[in-house]
Amino acid sequence: AQSVTQLDSHVSVSEGTPVLLRCNYSSSYSPSLFWYVQHPNKGLQLLLKYTSAATLVKGINGFEAEFKKSETSFHLTKPSAHMSDAAEYFCVVSDPGNTGKLIFGQGTTLQVKP
Amino acid sequence: GAGVSQSPSNKVTEKGKDVELRCDPISGHTALYWYRQSLGQGLEFLIYFQGNSAPDKSGLPSDRFSAERTGGSVSTLTIQRTQQEDSAVYLCASSSDGSWAETQYFGPGTRLLVL
Repeated sequence: AQSVTQLDSHVSVSEGTPVLLRCNYSSSYSPSLFWYVQHPNKGLQLLLKYTSAATLVKGINGFEAEFKKSETSFHLTKPSAHMSDAAEYFCVVSDPGNTGKLIFGQGTTLQVKP
Repeated sequence: GAGVSQSPSNKVTEKGKDVELRCDPISGHTALYWYRQSLGQGLEFLIYFQGNSAPDKSGLPSDRFSAERTGGSVSTLTIQRTQQEDSAVYLCASSSDGSWAETQYFGPGTRLLVL
């Protein structure tokens, strides 16, 4: 069975400093992995996705994530946080055993301080 | 182009009433999903439609929940005899072909409050 664990429910950084949001997954297959962002009272927006091509995936707004099979991790990073990055971030897994149903992590709230 | 749209954006109802939530997927997308986002349960899958195939209803929490998709496009999620625990944001998503690696595009959601 698939599962996703986001290791931090809340992360606080200062503007201009690096961001690291941690995600571990479990899957019986080679999964697809996604990061979605949700700003307050908004829908979910895709940041980036991994589908077995390059292990380092670049997304929108300067975010990137690295797929590490040996560590079953897919951590999200950004070199320099901006105030507009404050939002909730979801790590998501999908695999062939589950016909496209997405399994979501519990979410990480990113706070960016001025 | 137009994204996924949902209506209403907010719905307040009394316990025991029925509600209908609507989703318009991206034009041409054959797969449509419903998810629920609640404080206690996070984001959870409800139901999945792919083309003319029988829907995957494995995530529906009770028989009070049902959904249909007419003409392979618009979908309606119906909750009968609403309960307070049904209060949540109901999200709809669509993807081009429903395969497991395809990106799902989400609508803004319907926020349901059951009093």
